[in-house]
Amino acid sequence: DTGVSQDPRHKITKRGQNVTFRCDPISEHNRLYWYRQTLGQGPEFLTYFQNEAQLEKSRLLSDRFSAERPKGSFSTLEIQRTEQGDSAMYLCASSFDRRNTEAFFGQGTRLTVV
Amino acid sequence: KNEVEQSPQNLTAQEGEFITINCSYSVGISALHWLQQHPGGGIVSLFMLSSGKKKHGRLIATINIQEKHSSLHITASHPRDSAVYICAVIKLTSGSRLTFGEGTQLTVNP
Repeated sequence: DTGVSQDPRHKITKRGQNVTFRCDPISEHNRLYWYRQTLGQGPEFLTYFQNEAQLEKSRLLSDRFSAERPKGSFSTLEIQRTEQGDSAMYLCASSFDRRNTEAFFGQGTRLTVV
Repeated sequence: KNEVEQSPQNLTAQEGEFITINCSYSVGISALHWLQQHPGGGIVSLFMLSSGKKKHGRLIATINIQEKHSSLHITASHPRDSAVYICAVIKLTSGSRLTFGEGTQLTVNP
């Protein structure tokens, strides 16, 4: 296993279209996180899974956003009816299931909504 | 006011200089991370601290829990150190997720 992988790396979509991103965490990691980063800002938390259970969602995650981790392995993040404000880098991270453990990040998916 | 603040926002240095990036936070934490982000987006963890000091090669990270402050030092800086350095904390009240500062853009000129 070479680390956390995200697909696609880049996505350009028209406003109003739906998009889906995938994250494959490190295989032994129970925890999986999605963060969003806009230009010039630090990442912001979106949601967190422990195994297949979605344990926490940020208020940033509007009704148009949904995330799944159906078998406790890979995760998908879907954005419906995209808006220009959704343009950002979407980062996935994974870690072991213990406190104060290092998080490993993927390369991110850069979304541009035109 | 952000819970995690970094200074400076931008830093330009000449190769070989000693560099310090500061991070202050206003919440109770269980750990603090220093992360490096290169153009293209990927983030790499440099250090995780809950007390004291850690060193890895030319990088040194310190934390003062009482003062709610951490510093990242780079000795003998090199152009390949050019990146965004991000401070992130695990809040006592937020389980395991990270709360990030806005990052410091470091440029090291040859």
